[in-house]
Amino acid sequence: QKEVEQNSGPLSVPEGAIASLNCTYSDRVSQSFFWYRQYSGKSPELIMSIYSNGDKEDGRFTAQLNKASQYVSLLIRDSQPSDSATYLCAVITLRAGGTSYGKLTFGQGTILTVHP
Amino acid sequence: DAMVIQNPRYQVTQFGKPVTLSCSQTLNHNVMYWYQQKSSQAPKLLFHYYDKDFNNEADTPDNFQSRRPNTSFCFLDIRSPGLGDAAMYLCATSGSSGQRYEQYFGPGTRLTVT
Repeated sequence: QKEVEQNSGPLSVPEGAIASLNCTYSDRVSQSFFWYRQYSGKSPELIMSIYSNGDKEDGRFTAQLNKASQYVSLLIRDSQPSDSATYLCAVITLRAGGTSYGKLTFGQGTILTVHP
Repeated sequence: DAMVIQNPRYQVTQFGKPVTLSCSQTLNHNVMYWYQQKSSQAPKLLFHYYDKDFNNEADTPDNFQSRRPNTSFCFLDIRSPGLGDAAMYLCATSGSSGQRYEQYFGPGTRLTVT
């Protein structure tokens, strides 16, 4: 089982719809969760971070974390063609006695296409 | 604006010819990372520095080396590039205090090996 798995996609939604991106992780002690957006040929851009169970909203983006079920999701409301990109889910798992920073474990990414 | 800068943005080198990629940051972060990303794959961590402490990933080839002369700068040296090293190289930085470990990426350097 991969440490971080994303729904395989590609995901295609019409403009104005809600895009739902899902991610599951295998290590129950993971603490920090991130969503990056990556346009073709560009570097990843951090769009959301979430650390506690529940929802976190930022503009049209909502991240949801459920540690009991070990999943994190990203909802994009009112999807726009400019949201078309690859979305990477990333997780940091810190170990007792380890460093106070962490290495990102990425999922394989989900390609989102928003069509007019 | 605080940021992560990478130079050059595009680099073409010949097979076996050493190449150096640079990264600088104005975020005053004490952790700096180098990633390799190939087409349709997630970024792969090569190594990182926590201050001056170097941490190599177990599967990073010896062909890849790094230097961090000060807090702001970090270099990736590829001693003898092969065709398989053609990729996007990403530098990222993060803090190390509290519970916030967001990593911020530079724009990347696209390396072509001919």
